[in-house]
Amino acid sequence: DQQVKQNSPSLSVQEGRISILNCDYTNSMFDYFLWYKKYPAEGPTFLISISSIKDKNEDGRFTVFLNKSAKHLSLHIVPSQPGDSAVYFCAATRNQFYFGTGTSLTVIP
Amino acid sequence: DTAVSQTPKYLVTQMGNDKSIKCEQNLGHDTMYWYKQDSKKFLKIMFSYNNKELIINETVPNRFSPKSPDKAHLNLHINSLELGDSAVYFCASSQGGTGGWETQYFGPGTRLLVL
Repeated sequence: DQQVKQNSPSLSVQEGRISILNCDYTNSMFDYFLWYKKYPAEGPTFLISISSIKDKNEDGRFTVFLNKSAKHLSLHIVPSQPGDSAVYFCAATRNQFYFGTGTSLTVIP
Repeated sequence: DTAVSQTPKYLVTQMGNDKSIKCEQNLGHDTMYWYKQDSKKFLKIMFSYNNKELIINETVPNRFSPKSPDKAHLNLHINSLELGDSAVYFCASSQGGTGGWETQYFGPGTRLLVL
């Protein structure tokens, strides 16, 4: 059973607009959440993370929001750039990692 | 049912030993992968494999070898284990492709500790 879910396999956004990638989880014991970015033929690279004691973490154009009551995580990219086109994985962890299945983001110039 | 499973979850062994980690997927996918997570955050692809092609990351030492007895399994064999091999290893699978834009399902990871 998938404990971390990304229900949108793909997303297309115009350059300069906001990209919002969503992630839901089922286990309320997770204490740390991460987003990874993956280009074709490469492994996922770490992007941004958030601890369960926070509800927001920001790093440049990337902001992660955590809604613990809804067990929902989102990644906002503002403004979106063509180089952001990639597959984005969310992950949650307590003692081990659980990955979502990824959302393919295409930023249209 | 777990989509991608790995055994064992934890593996503690001595330097110089040979060990294997098993991966099985019940999704009917035809491509499987091995990743190494060598810190808390970073994942590096080691291999991708489908029925036709094995793609090896050139930075992976030849002590590491994937073995696929059938389409649903991709096991990772490691010879002459070294301290630096200590990491979490993730298996993943996808339908088609070789690590491009397709959806990948990850296993729970195997924590390897080499003493």
